[in-house]
Amino acid sequence: GQQLNQSPQSMFIQEGEDVSMNCTSSSIFNTWLWYKQEPGEGPVLLIALYKAGELTSNGRLTAQFGITRKDSFLNISASIPSDVGIYFCAGRGRTSGTYKYIFGTGTRLKVLA
Amino acid sequence: SAVISQKPSRDICQRGTSLTIQCQVDSQVTMMFWYRQQPGQSLTLIATANQGSEATYESGFVIDKFPISRPNLTFSTLTVSNMSPEDSSIYLCSVEGDGPGGYTFGSGTRLTVV
Repeated sequence: GQQLNQSPQSMFIQEGEDVSMNCTSSSIFNTWLWYKQEPGEGPVLLIALYKAGELTSNGRLTAQFGITRKDSFLNISASIPSDVGIYFCAGRGRTSGTYKYIFGTGTRLKVLA
Repeated sequence: SAVISQKPSRDICQRGTSLTIQCQVDSQVTMMFWYRQQPGQSLTLIATANQGSEATYESGFVIDKFPISRPNLTFSTLTVSNMSPEDSSIYLCSVEGDGPGGYTFGSGTRLTVV
């Protein structure tokens, strides 16, 4: 099925560093979501964005809904070891007459203490 | 937000057999969604399950392979039929969140077909 392009695919960073990842699409979305998935668990919602240009924070996490409505960014400041996991973006748009969420390919984050 | 219990959490199955995955939600929801996450991959929507009607399947997924039941507003099952090693994946159920939007996911069923 259709997927969003997410980059980077994976990254190793040092504890305390800031992290940035992004998600791009050829389609316009009216909602962008960011999830985190840890091993053996389902994805957990981190941040939801509802309008172009919106900038929303959740603790050390900040996400933005791109002006073109075709992209979104997630930043993690001062990373800590428990930030390890897979981060997925998801966009909600109209496909074949119905609204659906499409998930990104994921960014695997590993934090070195 | 809703709490989802999914069973089994993992299973190892012989090829050619079928496995039924159960998803129980602690509140009534209109739609339940079933996703597949292949090893190292993202989430792909299999189907949307509505109570009282047949599930709506996404392109590439068919009812004969993935029959779904939705007997009431808090429960759904997904069956993976006539399994092959290519069906080895994590299967996740989810519901629309009642908070800031997005989906709430169960913890998933990790299926290995040998």
